[in-house]
Amino acid sequence: EVQLVESGGGLVQPGGSLRLSCAASGFTFSTYWMSWVRQAPGKGLEWVANIKQDGNEKYYVDSVKGRFTISRDNAKNSLYLQMNSLRVEDTALYYCARARYSSSWNAYFFDYWGQGTLVTVSS
Amino acid sequence: QTVVTQEPSFSVSPGGTVTLTCGLSSGSVSASYYPCWYQQTPGQAPRTLIYSTNTRSSGVPDRFSGSILGNKAALTITGAQADDESDYYCMLCMGSGLVFGGGTKLTVL
Repeated sequence: EVQLVESGGGLVQPGGSLRLSCAASGFTFSTYWMSWVRQAPGKGLEWVANIKQDGNEKYYVDSVKGRFTISRDNAKNSLYLQMNSLRVEDTALYYCARARYSSSWNAYFFDYWGQGTLVTVSS
Repeated sequence: QTVVTQEPSFSVSPGGTVTLTCGLSSGSVSASYYPCWYQQTPGQAPRTLIYSTNTRSSGVPDRFSGSILGNKAALTITGAQADDESDYYCMLCMGSGLVFGGGTKLTVL
């Protein structure tokens, strides 16, 4: 059974940093793209970042470029999101998601999701 | 900046059929945008319903179907059930990355 378990969320002041983790199990982690998706309270879903199987390709939504860094450790079956220079508008539930990539379409979709970890940015 | 548009809300009677759409503020949605649909009930993580326009994800019943209707992607639910009452999000693959629509809140009553 595929499982994705996020951790690391919490309350942080504006300008602060936080590192989220996602522990994956039930599949061969090193063979899948992985992603972070967030959802602000009462709002819709927003894709945040993707990372390729070997970690050599990474993509971000414009609003987090230069502030967030996605990474992975295939030996530990873990995905990470380092978040720096946090803003109030980064407050959200952050989901870890397994991404499926279609080379035919150069496109992705998410097939499994974790339950999320809540990040609150407030003074 | 192109926005992905969805109806904010929709209602359907139990047993009825409803079609939710996913468009662009500028331009048309085609299969090349690889439209996907996700269902989310309150307090739960999203569930993947459809990808690549019309391919159902594993375990999704066939009363959920995806298509391109005119210049939009569409999710059709036939024989609506009470537990279909959820938020539905489409997602498109665009040059700027993966972009979700604002979601449609579906009420079954």
